[in-house]
Amino acid sequence: DGGITQSPKYLFRKEGQNVTLSCEQNLNHDAMYWYRQDPGQGLRLIYYSQIVNDFQKGDIAEGYSVSREKKESFPLTVTSAQKNPTAFYLCASRSGSLNEKLFFGSGTQLSVL
Amino acid sequence: DQQVKQNSPSLSVQEGRISILNCDYTNSMFDYFLWYKKYPAEGPTFLISISSIKDKNEDGRFTVFLNKSAKHLSLHIVPSQPGDSAVYFCAASGHSGGSNYKLTFGKGTLLTVNP
Repeated sequence: DGGITQSPKYLFRKEGQNVTLSCEQNLNHDAMYWYRQDPGQGLRLIYYSQIVNDFQKGDIAEGYSVSREKKESFPLTVTSAQKNPTAFYLCASRSGSLNEKLFFGSGTQLSVL
Repeated sequence: DQQVKQNSPSLSVQEGRISILNCDYTNSMFDYFLWYKKYPAEGPTFLISISSIKDKNEDGRFTVFLNKSAKHLSLHIVPSQPGDSAVYFCAASGHSGGSNYKLTFGKGTLLTVNP
């Protein structure tokens, strides 16, 4: 089955620790995205990548980093600089065609210990 | 500055009745609009979309209306079913498939359909 896989489902971070959220897709999509959902805040864009080895900051990129070394993978690192990391993180991808919709993974809930 | 606004945090309707979810936008460059449905602890799933060259798009029980002059769109669900209970997000994009394509989301509306 084609789709987007996010792992782990739940993740806990200690103070000062960097953690990495995994996102893998086998849809052969060119573009990939990371969004963050906070209660009552909707979805806010962190980073996105239109092609391999290229990515752009979204609206709330501070304290996060990404890489896009392979078409299938777009990992997100939440660094110690992100002071409020507790949120539900969603990865998405898009084929790159005109107005093609985003397909989302099932999300990762990150909490601070 | 919120570019996509869903001013109703929640909506409750009776099964079988119509649900109307509203969305307003401020960016006149937006030209493609989508609705997503989301259950708790899951990713959003695509429902329906509309291009700015249209004013209506229908798919089964779901219809989206776009009023460009008012910068307003709405999602109609008829008839509403208990399984429709979820958070509905309105989203918009301003560069149709271009290199900077990204979606801007509203804060969502929690729809509850009562049996």
